[in-house]
Amino acid sequence: DAGVIQSPRHEVTEMGQEVTLRCKPISGHDYLFWYRQTMMRGLELLIYFNNNVPIDDSGMPEDRFSAKMPNASFSTLKIQPSEPRDSAVYFCASSLNRGPYGYTFGSGTRLTVV
Amino acid sequence: DQQVKQNSPSLSVQEGRISILNCDYTNSMFDYFLWYKKYPAEGPTFLISISSIKDKNEDGRFTVFLNKSAKHLSLHIVPSQPGDSAVYFCAASDMDSNYQLIWGAGTKLIIKP
Repeated sequence: DAGVIQSPRHEVTEMGQEVTLRCKPISGHDYLFWYRQTMMRGLELLIYFNNNVPIDDSGMPEDRFSAKMPNASFSTLKIQPSEPRDSAVYFCASSLNRGPYGYTFGSGTRLTVV
Repeated sequence: DQQVKQNSPSLSVQEGRISILNCDYTNSMFDYFLWYKKYPAEGPTFLISISSIKDKNEDGRFTVFLNKSAKHLSLHIVPSQPGDSAVYFCAASDMDSNYQLIWGAGTKLIIKP
């Protein structure tokens, strides 16, 4: 298995532009998580899905952030409009079930908003 | 309020010696603890875990100790190797919160040759 695949690896965009981050989870994993990592706040859970349904989006910072999972093999995290304070590394992770078994993370997308 | 704390942002250890990374938590309901390792430009990878019914779990060079009364856990790496240089995250979860992982801020371990 190729693991969790995220694209792009790096994204540089201008303030006000729309940004879309993509994630392909491990096949058969029921749960998908979007995390953001910053120096100030560490790893923050933004939202997670179970069987393609959003379960908890309380970590989504603002209405500018939205996430979708149209099918079991694809998810997107969109920021519209982007702001410099959104600059961070965004990780996608998936897991087989909701138990305490740990997640498999993708390599992340480093987003820079200038 | 940080429920999981890693108070040492960084730690430097000589190659071959023991590395001890510490983690404190405040929520007594946590019943499962995990350590993740992260290299630059990569996502965190699962390293080792421990259930609250145990006080020790060992996997090769890595051992995690849990002290429930002190709400403290530690990761021991013996002997430390250059490839162990990474950021280590402690995470905790509990059944009541549907096993959502609560993360520490991470400790950067540097192994000196």
